[in-house]
Amino acid sequence: AQSVTQLGSHVSVSEGALVLLRCNYSSSVPPYLFWYVQYPNQGLQLLLKYTSAATLVKGINGFEAEFKKSETSFHLTKPSAHMSDAAEYFCAVWKGRRALTFGSGTRLQVQP
Amino acid sequence: GAGVSQTPSNKVTEKGKYVELRCDPISGHTALYWYRQSLGQGPEFLIYFQGTGAADDSGLPNDRFFAVRPEGSVSTLKIQRTERGDSAVYLCASSPIGQQDTEAFFGQGTRLTVV
Repeated sequence: AQSVTQLGSHVSVSEGALVLLRCNYSSSVPPYLFWYVQYPNQGLQLLLKYTSAATLVKGINGFEAEFKKSETSFHLTKPSAHMSDAAEYFCAVWKGRRALTFGSGTRLQVQP
Repeated sequence: GAGVSQTPSNKVTEKGKYVELRCDPISGHTALYWYRQSLGQGPEFLIYFQGTGAADDSGLPNDRFFAVRPEGSVSTLKIQRTERGDSAVYLCASSPIGQQDTEAFFGQGTRLTVV
C-alpha cells in the first residue's frame, strides 16, 4: 500500500529563512505525490504535484519540491519564509483506489 | 458556486443522535470525495463517488456511516447513532474527472462534535 511519512510535526523558522518540510513515500511503483496547505479555518489548497513529468516541481507562493527516487523523498522547500506561510502542510500520495492518502501534517511557524 | 461548499460549518450533537453533513461540489465535477480529519492528523479517506455511484467506500469505518449522491452533484454523509469518537472535521472534495493527476478541490469542512 502506498503511504507517506512526514518528519516533524512542528517546524519553526525565522522570517526570511529557508523552509524545509520533509516527506518520504513508500511505493512499489512511481507515485503521484502532492503537497497541500491548510490555513486556519480554511480548506486544503494544492501547492504542487508530481506526476513524473519533471523531478523538480514548482508550485504556488514560491514553494517547490524535488522528487528523489533514490531517497524515496519529496521534500517541500521555499528559499525565504514569509509570515503568511504559517500554516499546516500535508504531503499526500495517490492511492490505487483513486483517493489521496495524507501524511500526518507539519505545522509551520514563522517567527518575526 | 465558485468552490466546494459544506454545510453546516459546525455541528454539535448528542451521543446516539443521527446527523447529516452536506457537500455541494464545484459545478460539473463528476468525482466527489469525503475525508475525515481528526485532531492532529491528516485527512483520512472515507468514500469516493464517480457520478451517482460510490466507486470506493472502503474508508467508511463501520455501518453507521453512509453517503449518497442521488443526482450526481450534492452529496450527503449520514452518521447514525453518533459516538464521541466520531468527533472530527469532515472534509469534502471534488475534481473534474477523478483521475489521479487532476487536482481535488476541498471545502472548508464540517466540524462535528459529539457530546
